[in-house]
Amino acid sequence: QVQLVESGGGVVQPGGSLRLSCVAPGFTFSAFGVHWVRQAPGKGLEWVAFLGRNPTNEYYADSVKGRFTISRDNSQNTLYLQMNTLRLEDTAVYYCAKDGKYQTFFDSWGQGTLVTVSS
Amino acid sequence: QSALTQPASVSGSPGQSITISCTGSSSDVGGHNYVSWYQQHPGKAPKLIIYDVSNRPSGVSNRFSGSKSGNTASLTISGLQAEDEADYYCSSYVTGSTNVFGTGTKVTVL
Repeated sequence: QVQLVESGGGVVQPGGSLRLSCVAPGFTFSAFGVHWVRQAPGKGLEWVAFLGRNPTNEYYADSVKGRFTISRDNSQNTLYLQMNTLRLEDTAVYYCAKDGKYQTFFDSWGQGTLVTVSS
Repeated sequence: QSALTQPASVSGSPGQSITISCTGSSSDVGGHNYVSWYQQHPGKAPKLIIYDVSNRPSGVSNRFSGSKSGNTASLTISGLQAEDEADYYCSSYVTGSTNVFGTGTKVTVL
């Protein structure tokens, strides 16, 4: 298993922006695909976005398309989720997860970072 | 991208077997052999327990098994133990390069 560590969560007002980060100490992010998955308080898991080893493979859930951007900085070995135009319903714990194979399952997860959208 | 349908709760006594269903459509569960299952204890991150419908990752107990028929996948936990009490989620690859999770099932060990 790969250890993943998220950061960047916090409280933001509706309409605001936030950038989440995820690092994998000892592993090279460019070597595998990665996902962001979120979980609203007391609710189920929701897939958010995927970035493949090939950076042209970039996909989003309809609920965040056009507002969120997944990216990675190979020089910093870091995965990002840029979240713009945040809504109350974006409040959730955000997990980064390593892709197991061709976007078909999630084989390692971080501990999550909490994003709260509130006025 | 509608969530896959799971029962809200399933319960069983220690030693018993229980089965959790996960119903989707021909665009997800029925169209691909890419169903996976995750166990989540309160306050913890999810953990992969089944991938590609019926494969177990190294280190996962063989008490967990998966199967699929048509648009419905199933997770069976045999020899139920107290430590199995958790939330369980199925997931599937979706045609068009997205992913979807199930609604989640709370397993209670009586």
